[in-house]
Amino acid sequence: QVQLEQSGAGVKKPGSSVKVSCKASGGTFNSYSFSWVRQAPGQGPEWMGGIIPFFGTVNYAQSFQGRVSITADESTSTVYMDLTSLRSEDTAVYYCATERRSAYWYDGSGYLHKAAPDAFDVWGQGTKVTVSS
Amino acid sequence: EIVLTQSPGTLSLSPGERAILSCRASQSVSSSYLAWYQVKPGQAPRLLIYGSSSRATGVPDRFSGSGSGTGFTLTISRLEPEDFAVYYCQQYGDLYLSFGQGTKVEIK
Repeated sequence: QVQLEQSGAGVKKPGSSVKVSCKASGGTFNSYSFSWVRQAPGQGPEWMGGIIPFFGTVNYAQSFQGRVSITADESTSTVYMDLTSLRSEDTAVYYCATERRSAYWYDGSGYLHKAAPDAFDVWGQGTKVTVSS
Repeated sequence: EIVLTQSPGTLSLSPGERAILSCRASQSVSSSYLAWYQVKPGQAPRLLIYGSSSRATGVPDRFSGSGSGTGFTLTISRLEPEDFAVYYCQQYGDLYLSFGQGTKVEIK
Protein backbone atom coordinates (compact mmCIF):
# COMPACT_ATOMS: atom_id res chain seq x y z
CA GLN A 1 0.00 0.00 0.00
CA VAL A 2 1.18 3.53 -0.68
CA GLN A 3 2.75 5.60 2.09
CA LEU A 4 2.85 9.38 2.15
CA GLU A 5 5.70 11.38 3.67
CA GLN A 6 5.22 15.13 4.04
CA SER A 7 7.69 17.97 4.46
CA GLY A 8 8.34 19.53 7.84
CA ALA A 9 6.55 22.19 9.84
CA GLY A 10 7.14 25.86 9.37
CA VAL A 11 6.33 29.37 10.49
CA LYS A 12 5.37 31.89 7.82
CA LYS A 13 4.75 35.63 7.80
CA PRO A 14 1.34 36.99 6.79
CA GLY A 15 1.30 37.70 3.05
CA SER A 16 3.95 35.12 2.25
CA SER A 17 3.57 31.69 0.62
CA VAL A 18 4.11 28.12 1.73
CA LYS A 19 4.85 25.03 -0.33
CA VAL A 20 4.25 21.63 1.26
CA SER A 21 5.45 18.42 -0.36
CA CYS A 22 4.07 14.90 -0.14
CA LYS A 23 6.23 12.03 -1.37
CA ALA A 24 4.52 8.74 -2.21
CA SER A 25 6.24 5.39 -1.85
CA GLY A 26 5.25 1.74 -1.99
CA GLY A 27 2.81 2.07 -4.85
CA THR A 28 2.41 3.20 -8.45
CA PHE A 29 2.37 6.99 -8.26
CA ASN A 30 0.33 7.56 -11.42
CA SER A 31 -2.46 5.25 -10.33
CA TYR A 32 -3.48 7.51 -7.46
CA SER A 33 -5.62 10.56 -6.96
CA PHE A 34 -4.13 12.94 -4.37
CA SER A 35 -5.92 15.54 -2.30
CA TRP A 36 -4.89 18.17 0.21
CA VAL A 37 -6.94 18.60 3.36
CA ARG A 38 -6.24 21.01 6.18
CA GLN A 39 -7.43 21.13 9.76
CA ALA A 40 -7.25 24.38 11.68
CA PRO A 41 -7.17 24.30 15.50
CA GLY A 42 -10.57 23.35 16.87
CA GLN A 43 -12.14 22.99 13.45
CA GLY A 44 -13.12 20.17 11.14
CA PRO A 45 -11.10 19.06 8.14
CA GLU A 46 -11.34 21.24 5.04
CA TRP A 47 -10.72 19.90 1.54
CA MET A 48 -8.50 22.24 -0.46
CA GLY A 49 -8.21 20.48 -3.79
CA GLY A 50 -6.99 17.41 -5.60
CA ILE A 51 -4.92 16.20 -8.52
CA ILE A 52 -4.97 13.09 -10.67
CA PRO A 53 -1.46 12.91 -12.21
CA PHE A 54 -2.44 10.25 -14.77
CA PHE A 55 -5.06 12.51 -16.33
CA GLY A 56 -3.30 15.78 -15.51
CA THR A 57 -6.47 17.12 -13.93
CA VAL A 58 -6.61 19.45 -10.93
CA ASN A 59 -9.65 20.60 -8.98
CA TYR A 60 -9.69 23.29 -6.28
CA ALA A 61 -12.19 24.09 -3.57
CA GLN A 62 -13.98 27.35 -4.30
CA SER A 63 -12.78 28.93 -1.07
CA PHE A 64 -9.15 28.51 -2.17
CA GLN A 65 -9.50 29.39 -5.85
CA GLY A 66 -6.72 31.72 -6.93
CA ARG A 67 -4.66 31.12 -3.79
CA VAL A 68 -3.75 27.45 -4.02
CA SER A 69 -1.85 25.48 -6.60
CA ILE A 70 -1.46 21.70 -6.56
CA THR A 71 1.14 20.07 -8.77
CA ALA A 72 2.71 16.65 -9.20
CA ASP A 73 6.20 15.51 -10.20
CA GLU A 74 6.06 11.94 -11.48
CA SER A 75 9.86 11.67 -11.61
CA THR A 76 10.06 11.99 -7.83
CA SER A 77 6.58 10.63 -6.96
CA THR A 78 5.88 13.88 -5.15
CA VAL A 79 2.81 16.08 -4.96
CA TYR A 80 3.03 19.73 -3.93
CA MET A 81 0.58 22.21 -2.46
CA ASP A 82 1.41 25.90 -2.78
CA LEU A 83 -0.69 28.39 -0.80
CA THR A 84 -0.15 32.12 -1.30
CA SER A 85 -1.19 35.34 0.46
CA LEU A 86 -1.08 33.61 3.84
CA ARG A 87 -3.10 35.00 6.71
CA SER A 88 -3.44 33.96 10.34
CA GLU A 89 -6.53 31.90 9.53
CA ASP A 90 -4.34 29.62 7.39
CA THR A 91 -2.63 28.33 10.54
CA ALA A 92 -3.43 24.63 10.39
CA VAL A 93 -2.12 21.14 9.92
CA TYR A 94 -2.02 20.32 6.23
CA TYR A 95 -2.46 16.73 5.07
CA CYS A 96 -2.11 14.99 1.76
CA ALA A 97 -4.29 11.94 1.23
CA THR A 98 -5.03 9.34 -1.41
CA GLU A 99 -8.26 7.63 -2.35
CA ARG A 100 -8.97 4.00 -1.64
CA ARG A 101 -8.85 2.79 -5.23
CA SER A 102 -6.87 3.50 -8.36
CA ALA A 103 -7.86 6.61 -10.28
CA TYR A 104 -8.58 4.64 -13.46
CA TRP A 105 -9.28 1.18 -14.79
CA TYR A 106 -9.38 -0.68 -18.10
CA ASP A 107 -12.35 -2.71 -19.21
CA GLY A 108 -12.22 -6.05 -21.01
CA SER A 109 -11.85 -4.32 -24.36
CA GLY A 110 -8.90 -2.30 -23.17
CA TYR A 111 -10.78 0.97 -22.90
CA LEU A 112 -9.66 3.38 -20.23
CA HIS A 113 -12.16 4.58 -17.65
CA LYS A 114 -11.82 7.17 -14.93
CA ALA A 115 -12.68 5.58 -11.61
CA ALA A 116 -15.57 6.74 -9.47
CA PRO A 117 -14.61 8.98 -6.56
CA ASP A 118 -13.63 7.31 -3.32
CA ALA A 119 -12.86 8.01 0.31
CA PHE A 120 -9.36 8.77 1.61
CA ASP A 121 -7.75 5.74 3.17
CA VAL A 122 -4.09 6.78 3.27
CA TRP A 123 -2.94 10.03 4.85
CA GLY A 124 0.40 11.74 5.29
CA GLN A 125 1.58 12.52 8.78
CA GLY A 126 0.55 16.16 8.47
CA THR A 127 2.53 19.40 8.20
CA LYS A 128 1.90 22.13 10.73
CA VAL A 129 1.99 25.59 9.20
CA THR A 130 1.83 28.57 11.55
CA VAL A 131 1.18 32.01 10.10
CA SER A 132 2.39 34.69 12.47
CA SER A 133 4.14 38.02 12.33
CA GLU B 1 -21.00 22.95 -2.40
CA ILE B 2 -22.75 20.39 -0.22
CA VAL B 3 -22.87 21.41 3.43
CA LEU B 4 -22.77 18.58 5.97
CA THR B 5 -24.27 19.17 9.42
CA GLN B 6 -23.38 16.74 12.18
CA SER B 7 -25.26 16.20 15.41
CA PRO B 8 -24.91 16.21 18.27
CA GLY B 9 -21.82 18.34 18.71
CA THR B 10 -20.76 16.31 21.72
CA LEU B 11 -21.88 12.90 22.92
CA SER B 12 -21.09 11.99 26.54
CA LEU B 13 -21.25 8.24 27.01
CA SER B 14 -19.71 5.46 29.08
CA PRO B 15 -17.68 2.53 27.76
CA GLY B 16 -20.02 -0.23 26.63
CA GLU B 17 -22.80 2.14 25.60
CA ARG B 18 -24.05 2.66 22.07
CA ALA B 19 -23.19 5.83 20.17
CA ILE B 20 -25.36 7.12 17.34
CA LEU B 21 -23.97 10.00 15.26
CA SER B 22 -25.91 11.86 12.60
CA CYS B 23 -24.81 13.60 9.42
CA ARG B 24 -27.28 15.58 7.30
CA ALA B 25 -26.46 16.92 3.84
CA SER B 26 -27.81 20.14 2.34
CA GLN B 27 -28.53 18.22 -0.87
CA SER B 28 -28.56 14.60 -1.88
CA VAL B 29 -25.19 12.84 -1.81
CA SER B 30 -24.88 10.98 -5.09
CA SER B 31 -24.40 7.21 -4.99
CA SER B 32 -24.05 7.36 -1.22
CA TYR B 33 -20.51 8.68 -1.55
CA LEU B 34 -20.40 9.34 2.18
CA ALA B 35 -17.49 8.45 4.46
CA TRP B 36 -16.84 8.59 8.19
CA TYR B 37 -13.46 9.30 9.78
CA GLN B 38 -12.15 9.08 13.33
CA VAL B 39 -9.68 11.73 14.49
CA LYS B 40 -7.62 11.58 17.66
CA PRO B 41 -5.41 14.42 18.93
CA GLY B 42 -2.20 14.77 16.97
CA GLN B 43 -3.16 12.09 14.46
CA ALA B 44 -4.29 12.05 10.86
CA PRO B 45 -7.91 11.07 10.19
CA ARG B 46 -8.59 7.35 10.01
CA LEU B 47 -11.13 6.08 7.49
CA LEU B 48 -13.87 4.01 9.14
CA ILE B 49 -16.74 3.83 6.64
CA TYR B 50 -17.00 4.51 2.91
CA GLY B 51 -19.92 4.27 0.50
CA SER B 52 -22.21 5.08 3.44
CA SER B 53 -22.07 1.55 4.91
CA SER B 54 -18.88 -0.32 3.96
CA ARG B 55 -16.24 -0.75 6.64
CA ALA B 56 -12.67 0.11 5.71
CA THR B 57 -9.95 -2.50 6.09
CA GLY B 58 -9.24 -3.38 9.69
CA VAL B 59 -12.18 -1.46 11.18
CA PRO B 60 -13.95 -3.43 13.95
CA ASP B 61 -17.49 -4.55 13.26
CA ARG B 62 -18.83 -2.51 16.18
CA PHE B 63 -18.68 0.41 13.72
CA SER B 64 -21.52 0.53 11.20
CA GLY B 65 -22.82 3.12 8.79
CA SER B 66 -26.19 3.61 7.17
CA GLY B 67 -28.27 6.09 5.24
CA SER B 68 -28.73 7.56 1.80
CA GLY B 69 -29.77 10.78 0.12
CA THR B 70 -29.41 13.49 2.74
CA GLY B 71 -29.39 11.52 5.99
CA PHE B 72 -26.59 9.31 7.27
CA THR B 73 -25.74 7.64 10.57
CA LEU B 74 -22.63 6.18 12.17
CA THR B 75 -23.32 3.72 14.97
CA ILE B 76 -20.77 2.39 17.43
CA SER B 77 -22.51 -0.56 19.02
CA ARG B 78 -20.46 -0.82 22.21
CA LEU B 79 -17.94 1.89 22.97
CA GLU B 80 -14.41 0.76 23.74
CA PRO B 81 -11.95 3.09 25.53
CA GLU B 82 -10.10 3.71 22.26
CA ASP B 83 -13.29 4.91 20.52
CA PHE B 84 -13.45 8.21 22.41
CA ALA B 85 -12.47 10.67 19.70
CA VAL B 86 -13.93 13.12 17.20
CA TYR B 87 -15.84 11.75 14.20
CA TYR B 88 -16.35 13.49 10.88
CA CYS B 89 -18.52 12.68 7.92
CA GLN B 90 -17.36 13.56 4.42
CA GLN B 91 -19.08 13.53 1.05
CA TYR B 92 -17.06 12.81 -2.07
CA GLY B 93 -19.79 12.63 -4.69
CA ASP B 94 -19.74 16.29 -5.56
CA LEU B 95 -17.04 18.05 -7.57
CA TYR B 96 -16.21 19.93 -4.37
CA LEU B 97 -15.63 17.56 -1.46
CA SER B 98 -16.74 18.62 1.99
CA PHE B 99 -16.59 17.53 5.63
CA GLY B 100 -18.96 17.97 8.53
CA GLN B 101 -17.94 19.96 11.60
CA GLY B 102 -17.59 16.85 13.74
CA THR B 103 -19.10 15.04 16.72
CA LYS B 104 -16.94 14.58 19.79
CA VAL B 105 -17.56 11.34 21.65
CA GLU B 106 -16.33 11.86 25.19
CA ILE B 107 -16.23 9.74 28.30
CA LYS B 108 -19.12 10.45 30.67
